[in-house]
Amino acid sequence: DAKTTQPNSMESNEEEPVHLPCNHSTISGTDYIHWYRQLPSQGPEYVIHGLTSNVNNRMASLAIAEDRKSSTLILHRATLRDAAVYYCILRGYEKLTFGTGTRLTIIP
Amino acid sequence: EAGVVQSPRYKIIEKKQPVAFWCNPISGHNTLYWYRQNLGQGPELLIRYENEEAVDDSQLPKDRFSAERLKGVDSTLKIQPAELGDSAVYLCASSQQDYYGYTFGSGTRLTVV
Repeated sequence: DAKTTQPNSMESNEEEPVHLPCNHSTISGTDYIHWYRQLPSQGPEYVIHGLTSNVNNRMASLAIAEDRKSSTLILHRATLRDAAVYYCILRGYEKLTFGTGTRLTIIP
Repeated sequence: EAGVVQSPRYKIIEKKQPVAFWCNPISGHNTLYWYRQNLGQGPELLIRYENEEAVDDSQLPKDRFSAERLKGVDSTLKIQPAELGDSAVYLCASSQQDYYGYTFGSGTRLTVV
């Protein structure tokens, strides 16, 4: 499976936008870019996914670079409940392979 | 709609004892996954089912781990005998189709002493 690179940790102030980067330079043409997050003591939670075009849903936005070698998860207005580990995953055939993710801390 | 249900939530056992985890996926989800998550790491896939068939069990330590999914619905993951290194969170997930999002349960935290 192609790998992703994310910062180990990030901090953001409450009520401000957060941009979580992900590099995936070896992405193949059929890999979807998935984002999950994991709150403390919970299983991972699906956030968003995309293939080539930018995507928006009620939780977040996903901006995908034109060459697809990087992407950014955007939380438009962070709250304390957004503090979690965020995983950027390239979904190849049939399965998700998780890395270690980015631990996001929200500062009140 | 109920999510993916796992039980028990926590389990503490002595090494060499058997243990079993149960998962009830979301109704209509034909694909079921078991993941193991060690402290500070991302989840690692153990086994994937399509209906009742295990289609990817390459990461399942078959000498002590076994799994089944009867009638393509509920699933059970078993460890016998447990070792200290098996202490981890065991997560179950289900999905409906390829490239759709997974829904995870809250996991079972296993401690082997």
